Amino acid sequence: NAGVTQTPKFQVLKTGQSMTLQCAQDMNHEYMSWYRQDPGMGLRLIHYSVGAGITDQGEVPNGYNVSRSTTEDFPLRLLSAAPSQTSVYFCASSSRRFTDTQYFGPGTRLTVL
Amino acid sequence: GESVGLHLPTLSVQEGDNSIINCAYSNSASDYFIWYKQESGKGPQFIIDIRSNMDKRQGQRVTVLLNKTVKHLSLQIAATQPGDSAVYFCAENIGYSTLTFGKGTMLLVSP
Repeated sequence: NAGVTQTPKFQVLKTGQSMTLQCAQDMNHEYMSWYRQDPGMGLRLIHYSVGAGITDQGEVPNGYNVSRSTTEDFPLRLLSAAPSQTSVYFCASSSRRFTDTQYFGPGTRLTVL
Repeated sequence: GESVGLHLPTLSVQEGDNSIINCAYSNSASDYFIWYKQESGKGPQFIIDIRSNMDKRQGQRVTVLLNKTVKHLSLQIAATQPGDSAVYFCAENIGYSTLTFGKGTMLLVSP
């Protein structure tokens, strides 16, 4: 049981490039979320999903797209990277229960030049 | 990672002391609260949670206190150890298992 996995661990992009951050969980969790973390700040919600085929926006969705074709995977896409998207990105999952604990992946550190 | 700690409030304690980390939350309708610990270079790790129908909950060496009147949450760590050094976040539940996180407090434990 690997929990929540994220790839890559580190990534450097040039402005305007696109990429996909991968997230997978093997706990059969319904809920998955993407957060970004910037220095001196708490985690901010980008997008989340309450189940396969269902996604919704969080606090800071602009510049990011998501899809949820399977229960296990929840990729985050940057269509045209900007320096403001330099951050550490965390994926999290939790079971279907309303007040269940979220389990976080190890993070992806992204730098946009 | 290391950059998470920049500009955060910091609590410095000696090994063996008790630590108290405080958090003010914003939404009076929140009914579930969680404390997370984040070590350098890692994702947040669940410590303890509490529902709004409780005032206090205890775990192993940790206690969370909830004061709904003033929208205040605290985390008490007994007999703090160097391995407790990390950034601690409180989070409040706003529905569908999404969370709003506080900015965090860095705990530094000296041997």
